[in-house]
Amino acid sequence: DAGVTQSPTHLIKTRGQQVTLRCSPKSGHDTVSWYQQALGQGPQFIFQYYEEEERQRGNFPDRFSGHQFPNYSSELNVNALLLGDSALYLCASSLVAWGSPLHFGNGTRLTVT
Amino acid sequence: AQKVTQAQTEISVVEKEDVTLDCVYETRDTTYYLFWYKQPPSGELVFLIRRNSFDEQNEISGRYSWNFQKSTSSFNFTITASQVVDSAVYFCALSEADNFNKFYFGSGTKLNVKP
Repeated sequence: DAGVTQSPTHLIKTRGQQVTLRCSPKSGHDTVSWYQQALGQGPQFIFQYYEEEERQRGNFPDRFSGHQFPNYSSELNVNALLLGDSALYLCASSLVAWGSPLHFGNGTRLTVT
Repeated sequence: AQKVTQAQTEISVVEKEDVTLDCVYETRDTTYYLFWYKQPPSGELVFLIRRNSFDEQNEISGRYSWNFQKSTSSFNFTITASQVVDSAVYFCALSEADNFNKFYFGSGTKLNVKP
């Protein structure tokens, strides 16, 4: 039973560039959420996708956008990268039911120079 | 305001000691879920337990136990007879019924278990 997989593992970008991160959810899960985890901090909610639509969004600018595909996989796009975007980006999948625990991938470490 | 507070930034213990990780939460909802996650150096957050706000029974699972007290808005996690493999960052999280798509995580407690 495959868990949540994310790619790439690490990424180095320059300020102003754009980046796309990818996520495949755990088998049987239909909901994908993205979180940003700065060093030494807890994960912060970016947004959640269900049925190919953004269902909820956290306090992140429009530079952060996403997509969910019919096979439930998802992408996170960040435009006009800033140094402050350097973080671990975690994808989590779950069922849409309230109380369903999030299952996380290993994350993508993004470094912006 | 922080919805989930983990006041202990880092704890160091010697193997076989018991250790308790504190979690205090804040919510106006009467219906919510609380969670604990473990994050080893690999980065993946591993789900440990969830507790519904209507269920204040404490739970024990092997060396792990959880104490949920609504009166003090706390959901503490105890590891009995700690082992080196328990070394990780532990996060407490809150999911409210009115906003259940979004999990609020604390800042985490780094546990170092020394042999």
